[in-house]
Amino acid sequence: GQQVMQIPQYQHVQEGEDFTTYCNSSTTLSNIQWYKQRPGGHPVFLIQLVKSGEVKKQKRLTFQFGEAKKNSSLHITATQTTDVGTYFCAGKNNAGNMLTFGGGTRLMVKP
Amino acid sequence: DSGVTQTPKHLITATGQRVTLRCSPRSGDLSVYWYQQSLDQGLQFLIHYYNGEERAKGNILERFSAQQFPDLHSELNLSSLELGDSALYFCASSIGQGRMNTEAFFGQGTRLTVV
Repeated sequence: GQQVMQIPQYQHVQEGEDFTTYCNSSTTLSNIQWYKQRPGGHPVFLIQLVKSGEVKKQKRLTFQFGEAKKNSSLHITATQTTDVGTYFCAGKNNAGNMLTFGGGTRLMVKP
Repeated sequence: DSGVTQTPKHLITATGQRVTLRCSPRSGDLSVYWYQQSLDQGLQFLIHYYNGEERAKGNILERFSAQQFPDLHSELNLSSLELGDSALYFCASSIGQGRMNTEAFFGQGTRLTVV
């Protein structure tokens, strides 16, 4: 079945440093979504990428979807303590009936 | 507030017991997804319903079952509970299904503790 892998599992950074998490799918995706889960909270949707090679930005966050639509990345520039949480990618298969989440990357930011 | 309501918020029960978790999706959402999140782990997809019909199954144990009712609320039934079933169970809803589907909105989750 469809598998979505995410690396790294954990990342500690100093406030102000950059951060990147990578997502890889075993199958071609119709779209990929990114979610953020704050400690003790529930996942909250950040963005959806649909087109091959698509790049989207939200302030300090940059999201990319690979050309083959099998991988994606989230890059945060100059992290802040408010960025703390677990970032999940979630891929939707071409049938569109299953949203498979990656294992998540837990980001910790030292002030 | 995501608009997705899950009850109860917390549940403590003994091994071997059966529990039912309830989810009310956002108004107008036809799709309901169930996920299991063990401590500090990722989100394991369990099952997806669309407008009352099962659409996809993930790594759901045979001891677990779910359904979506005509009013679109959903229930996840967990039986013969084991210690390893202790986890946070999330329900998420979205407007529909299909490749161009919009995002999933998550409830606050039900924290199940099996003792």
